[in-house]
Amino acid sequence: EPEVTQTPSHQVTQMGQEVILRCVPISNHLYFYWYRQILGQKVEFLVSFYNNEISEKSEIFDDQFSVERPDGSNFTLKIRSTKLEDSAMYFCASRTGRTSNQPQHFGDGTRLSIL
Amino acid sequence: DAKTTQPTSMDCAEGRAANLPCNHSTISGNEYVYWYRQIHSQGPQYIIHGLKNNETNEMASLIITEDRKSSTLILPHATLRDTAVYYCIVRVGGGSQGNLIFGKGTKLSVKP
Repeated sequence: EPEVTQTPSHQVTQMGQEVILRCVPISNHLYFYWYRQILGQKVEFLVSFYNNEISEKSEIFDDQFSVERPDGSNFTLKIRSTKLEDSAMYFCASRTGRTSNQPQHFGDGTRLSIL
Repeated sequence: DAKTTQPTSMDCAEGRAANLPCNHSTISGNEYVYWYRQIHSQGPQYIIHGLKNNETNEMASLIITEDRKSSTLILPHATLRDTAVYYCIVRVGGGSQGNLIFGKGTKLSVKP
């Protein structure tokens, strides 16, 4: 069964450094999402992406965050200057555009640790 | 999107059916009910979704009341691997948005 894959599984970065998290969505999917989950807390929506542009973003997704689909297969989340509070699990999700109610499918996440 | 209410935790004996309830009394006509689960720190796993009819797939059954104000996810023969946090989410189908709003879910513990 096709799945969303994310790399790396664990990223350790110094505070203030840039980090790029990578995702390969399911191949025929058209809608892409990033979520994060701080340890012990709820899964939170960050951003949705469709047709090569951001369609919705949350308050968490400030100017330090950006997303890109550089080559038609990868979907990346960049954090420009990381802060300690960016430490979390980051999940990528995708869904088909076939019908409007199709579910999102998630990857297993990247654990981001900011030192 | 409508808010959902789920019990914080539930236990189930291995091999028995696990029935996980969810209240969504403010659900509107075009909102679907989705169920996901999260095993330990893995990504949320899609289980099933429905609008108003009951649904069944290889993982579970979803029973939605006639007034759509509540639903029950049924795992017919729970195994130890079904121990997870289960999330009931309602959202409007459609559009390029449709981001999921996760609550705290129900922590299901399947015991031998």
